[in-house]
Amino acid sequence: QKEVEQNSGPLSVPEGAIASLNCTYSDRGSQSFFWYRQYSGKSPELIMFIYSNGDKEDGRFTAQLNKASQYVSLLIRDSQPSDSATYICAVNYGTGNTPLVFGKGTRLSVIA
Amino acid sequence: DGGITQSPKYLFRKEGQNVTLSCEQNLNHDAMYWYRQDPGQGLRLIYYSQIVNDFQKGDIAEGYSVSREKKESFPLTVTSAQKNPTAFYLCASSMPGTGLGETQYFGPGTRLLVL
Repeated sequence: QKEVEQNSGPLSVPEGAIASLNCTYSDRGSQSFFWYRQYSGKSPELIMFIYSNGDKEDGRFTAQLNKASQYVSLLIRDSQPSDSATYICAVNYGTGNTPLVFGKGTRLSVIA
Repeated sequence: DGGITQSPKYLFRKEGQNVTLSCEQNLNHDAMYWYRQDPGQGLRLIYYSQIVNDFQKGDIAEGYSVSREKKESFPLTVTSAQKNPTAFYLCASSMPGTGLGETQYFGPGTRLLVL
C-alpha cells in the first residue's frame, strides 16, 4: 500500500515565525514530491515540487527532501495570517501520468 | 486564458437521480483525474484517464462513471448507485511527460449536495 503520512494538526505559529510541515512516504523508489495549499472551501493549489535530495527555495517557501529517510518537508518563513490553510503533501509513486498519492493534509494556523 | 473549469459550482441531487459533473481543460494536458473530498478528509481518487478513449478506476469508483471522448473533457456521472454522494468533487489534469512524474493542477471544484 502506497501511503503518505502527515500530522493533521492544527499547527499554530505566531506571525513572523517559521512554520515547519512534515510528510513521510512509504516507497523508497518514489521520484517526485509536491506541496499543495488548500484554503477552506477552495481547491488545492500547487506551491512547490521537488525531485532531488536537498533544499529547493521559492520566495518564503523551502521544500526539503531526504530520500534516505523518506521524508519531505515544507518550511514557510515569515509566516503571515494569509498562510493559514491546509497543506497537502503528494507523492508520485509511478512514472508518466500516474495519479499522485495525497496525504490528508496539515492544518496551519498563523496567529497575528 | 488557460485553465481547468468545472461546472456547476453547486449541484443538488434528488434520490435515485443520476447527475453529471463537467470538467474541461485547455492546457493540452494528456491526463485527467477525478477526486472526491469529504469534510476533514483527504483526496480520494475516483477515476483517471491517461489518454483519450481510455480510463481506469481509482480507489472509490463504485457508483460513478466517466467518459473521455475528447482530450479537453472528462465528465463524471454520479449514479443512483452511489449512496453517499455528498462531497466536494475535484477534477485535475497533468502536464505532458517529463519522465520524473507529473504535476497535477486542480479545477475549482463542484460541491454536490443531496436533497
